[in-house]
Amino acid sequence: TQLLEQSPQFLSIQEGENLTVYCNSSSVFSSLQWYRQEPGEGPVLLVTVVTGGEVKKLKRLTFQFGDARKDSSLHITAAQPGDTGLYLCAGRINTGGFKTIFGAGTRLFVKA
Amino acid sequence: EAGVTQFPSHSVIEKGQTVTLRCDPISGHDNLYWYRRVMGKEIKFLLHFVKESKQDESGMPNNRFLAERTGGTYSTLKVQPAELEDSGVYFCASSPGQVAEQYFGPGTRLTVT
Repeated sequence: TQLLEQSPQFLSIQEGENLTVYCNSSSVFSSLQWYRQEPGEGPVLLVTVVTGGEVKKLKRLTFQFGDARKDSSLHITAAQPGDTGLYLCAGRINTGGFKTIFGAGTRLFVKA
Repeated sequence: EAGVTQFPSHSVIEKGQTVTLRCDPISGHDNLYWYRRVMGKEIKFLLHFVKESKQDESGMPNNRFLAERTGGTYSTLKVQPAELEDSGVYFCASSPGQVAEQYFGPGTRLTVT
């Protein structure tokens, strides 16, 4: 059974602080996605990383894919209240089709 | 462009009853996926359609679940008979290609009492 362990599960920080969310697995992924999900809505894609060691930046968000394509991190610089939400990592495994394995999610709360 | 839509948004049924969930993907998306999130756990893959064909149904929990996509457009997921552990949020997603971005619907919250 493929697992994608995401940590921390919950994070409450002050506006302006930095934070990092981690996703780790023993499986190798063909790609890894980071999503953000708001209450009552489905996950919305933030970024896809494909190459081992790849780093992508989206404004104050930095995403990194591990060299072995088994792990990833999301770093937010100077968090703002608008960053509050549920962040999900998801890895794709080539099974003939492409099966997606989700982490359990990190619920982030940024206090003003 | 309309996004992925799901119906109903909520469903409350009794154990032993039947429920059918519907997903309308984005027009032109051949790939359609069903996922489920049970309370407190991660979103889990159920199955993947390419047009009307089941590409991967390895995530379907048991034979009480039946997914169809006749004509390769909308899809239905039927649970018959429903059990308490079937409660959760069922998400549908679609994409134009197997490696392309998946667009998720808002989900159907199913409660089995």
